[in-house]
Amino acid sequence: DAKTTQPPSMDCAEGRAANLPCNHSTISGNEYVYWYRQIHSQGPQYIIHGLKNNETNEMASLIITEDRKSSTLILPHATLRDTAVYYCIVSTGGGNKLTFGTGTQLKVEL
Amino acid sequence: DTAVSQTPKYLVTQMGNDKSIKCEQNLGHDTMYWYKQDSKKFLKIMFSYNNKELIINETVPNRFSPKSPDKAHLNLHINSLELGDSAVYFCASSFRTGGNYGYTFGSGTRLTVV
Repeated sequence: DAKTTQPPSMDCAEGRAANLPCNHSTISGNEYVYWYRQIHSQGPQYIIHGLKNNETNEMASLIITEDRKSSTLILPHATLRDTAVYYCIVSTGGGNKLTFGTGTQLKVEL
Repeated sequence: DTAVSQTPKYLVTQMGNDKSIKCEQNLGHDTMYWYKQDSKKFLKIMFSYNNKELIINETVPNRFSPKSPDKAHLNLHINSLELGDSAVYFCASSFRTGGNYGYTFGSGTRLTVV
């Protein structure tokens, strides 16, 4: 699985959009970009994933660059409950392992 | 509720003991996993089973033995526990084929070896 690079930490004001970047310059054509988050030692929670196109669901939006070498997770209106470690992972999925990096610690503040 | 459930949530035991952690999923997934999160918060895969067949076996001491009686259950048995086994163990499940599904994780079992 390709490796990813994320900033170690970010701050965001409550109610504002949180934009979390991820670099995955060695991603292969059949690898998806997944985002998970872990809130204070709970189990990791799936947020969103994509292959080439931008994706949106009830939790977030995922913007993938045309060359697929980087992506951005957008939480449109961050709340205090979004404070967590966010992991960007590339994987072929389908039962293959998820390789977690160190992630980005997002802190949402009043 | 549809979920991945693990028991127990907390486990404190002495060195040298043998213990088991149980995991069950009712999501209809065909693949289950065990992940370990150490004190530095790194999450690493240990094992993966697909329909009771072992498909991923990372470099894990053979004191750790996964057992899958059916595709909805994956248990982890640990023999001769050591201090370094203290960690949070997460069970997860997913579908085997296709990349269109996320993985669902359980809430974790915090193992403390004293």
